[in-house]
Amino acid sequence: GENVGLHLPTLSVQEGDNSIINCAYSNSASDYFIWYKQESGKGPQFIIDIRSNMDKRQGQRVTVLLNKTVKHLSLQIAATQPGDSAVYFCAETRGGSARQLTFGSGTQLTVLP
Amino acid sequence: NAGVTQTPKFRVLKTGQSMTLLCAQDMNHEYMYWYRQDPGMGLRLIHYSVGEGTTAKGEVPDGYNVSRLKKQNFLLGLESAAPSQTSVYFCASSASGGNTGELFFGEGSRLTVL
Repeated sequence: GENVGLHLPTLSVQEGDNSIINCAYSNSASDYFIWYKQESGKGPQFIIDIRSNMDKRQGQRVTVLLNKTVKHLSLQIAATQPGDSAVYFCAETRGGSARQLTFGSGTQLTVLP
Repeated sequence: NAGVTQTPKFRVLKTGQSMTLLCAQDMNHEYMYWYRQDPGMGLRLIHYSVGEGTTAKGEVPDGYNVSRLKKQNFLLGLESAAPSQTSVYFCASSASGGNTGELFFGEGSRLTVL
């Protein structure tokens, strides 16, 4: 069925290392993908998005890669900091509408000192 | 600006009781949403609104009602709470509903139904 999921539920990295969080989607009609960060006790916060006509997009310390061939999305965080510890969700839309966002179950990123 | 504010932040109900969650946004956004978040699962859309006076069903609307009488407010009601509605509820808003995933979320309302 249609779903957005994550390869790993948890990820631990050393402070200063790069982090890679992965996400798989199954609907080839999905055309817009978003990453959200959720810190403990808070609501999700938009990080970065990418449309299906792109395969890479960069932000501040973050890069999102999209591989439509294998329906895979990844979030790369450079020089991971303690403040990056959070749950990261990928989300997709079909038809480009925010009201049709489907969220994955999340990956817990823990940054080790 | 406060952004998106939800009240109350915590609530405990008995089965069969009713309650209303209030969401307020001060960004003049047209679109507003109510999601629920359960352990090990992603956010699921309950209801949404594309403007004042309008509402529509999302993925999991059963057992909930909503109203958008004012542009800045979006209310989520439970008429007869059930234990299955124990969850964390998030309200969100966005400037438009198309081609943007940038939703602005509140900090959540944790509801426990006994």
